[in-house]
Amino acid sequence: DAGITQSPRHKVTETGTPVTLRCHQTENHRYMYWYRQDPGHGLRLIHYSYGVKDTDKGEVSDGYSVSRSKTEDFLLTLESATSSQTSVYFCAISESRIQYFGPGTRLTVT
Amino acid sequence: KQEVTQIPAALSVPEGENLVLNCSFTDSAIYNLQWFRQDPGKGLTSLLLIQSSQREQTSGRLNASLDKSSGRSTLYIAASQPGDSATYLCAPPYTGRRALTFGSGTRLQVQP
Repeated sequence: DAGITQSPRHKVTETGTPVTLRCHQTENHRYMYWYRQDPGHGLRLIHYSYGVKDTDKGEVSDGYSVSRSKTEDFLLTLESATSSQTSVYFCAISESRIQYFGPGTRLTVT
Repeated sequence: KQEVTQIPAALSVPEGENLVLNCSFTDSAIYNLQWFRQDPGKGLTSLLLIQSSQREQTSGRLNASLDKSSGRSTLYIAASQPGDSATYLCAPPYTGRRALTFGSGTRLQVQP
């Protein structure tokens, strides 16, 4: 599992509330990613990071922000959650061009 | 923008059959391609990474091939087993970013 953990693993929240998901890695990988997985859309890139404080947007970044103040942690924030952000969120790292994924966070916005 | 298509979307076979899963992509300027497996409700498990300089990569009963010029990759599963039942995802690199683009996957069911 390349030492990747995600927290929380499950969360139910109300529309309009802020939510932060955490991805933690133990092996000092430079590249970290956030994807979301939805039926009919597959996995889509939200944001990624190529170093501390270095981030870039993916194809579905609207409504999301990220931060990486330490190598080991990559945070994904939904500033004001909407029902369209109900999804399974996966964090990943890249090691020697191979991507390894965390176990996922199932987020439900009611 | 990289777009990925996987055919078939679903496949059900009896145990022991040899299988071919197909993946096509639109941006052939890739340096590698990764195949994953996903069990229901679980994360993704990396199966194979095939480099653009390789034509094939093998791991156990799995063999992946890559033809950059035609924008195609195939995953061959030999002597399928019920434990192979899962969704298989093809993921070439995202155009212009060091990330992956995913197909919708092939959902495989191997009947005992």
